[in-house]
Amino acid sequence: KQEVTQIPAALSVPEGENLVLNCSFTDSAIYNLQWFRQDPGKGLTSLLLIQSSQREQTSGRLNASLDKSSGRSTLYIAASQPGDSATYLCAVPENSGGYQKVTFGTGTKLQVIP
Amino acid sequence: DADVTQTPRNRITKTGKRIMLECSQTKGHDRMYWYRQDPGLGLRLIYYSFDVKDINKGEISDGYSVSRQAQAKFSLSLESAIPNQTALYFCATSDFISTGSNEQFFGPGTRLTVL
Repeated sequence: KQEVTQIPAALSVPEGENLVLNCSFTDSAIYNLQWFRQDPGKGLTSLLLIQSSQREQTSGRLNASLDKSSGRSTLYIAASQPGDSATYLCAVPENSGGYQKVTFGTGTKLQVIP
Repeated sequence: DADVTQTPRNRITKTGKRIMLECSQTKGHDRMYWYRQDPGLGLRLIYYSFDVKDINKGEISDGYSVSRQAQAKFSLSLESAIPNQTALYFCATSDFISTGSNEQFFGPGTRLTVL
């Protein structure tokens, strides 16, 4: 059974700092890995999707990397801003009886202090 | 992104009542999902549907039922609500038939409280 872990559970940084969020998964037979952002009481917004054949994916100040062999992905946020404050989740689909079952991590709650 | 809408956005109900949560999407995605989110437990899959005639149980389907009325509509019902079904419920879609990917697009969520 796939297990997805995100450490730390919470992170507080001053504005302008570069930061890294971590996502670990136990089964490396994945199709892709998706990073989401969730604002309090709201839905999940897709940030980046990395295919299993890719090593990195970039969108603006965000860069996600994937190392399947070690079961890790990182989300790098450059020059953090207070508007980046949110919970960040990673999600990993795996093949389960012909269906790509998606397992979510429990997230890292980020606070960027002005 | 898929335009995924959920109604109602908030609902308070009493134990034993029947509740329906509705989800609609406008992008023509073939797959639709219902998740619940509880603090400390992450998102857990309740039901998923590959198309109108293909509905499957997820990991926590007990106490829930679903209906895929059309490709764009996927409803979740709680036949007899109980307090431990208090949670944030999300509908999601993916465009698997076109992209071969299960990239998920989420609705805004329904906050359900069962008293």
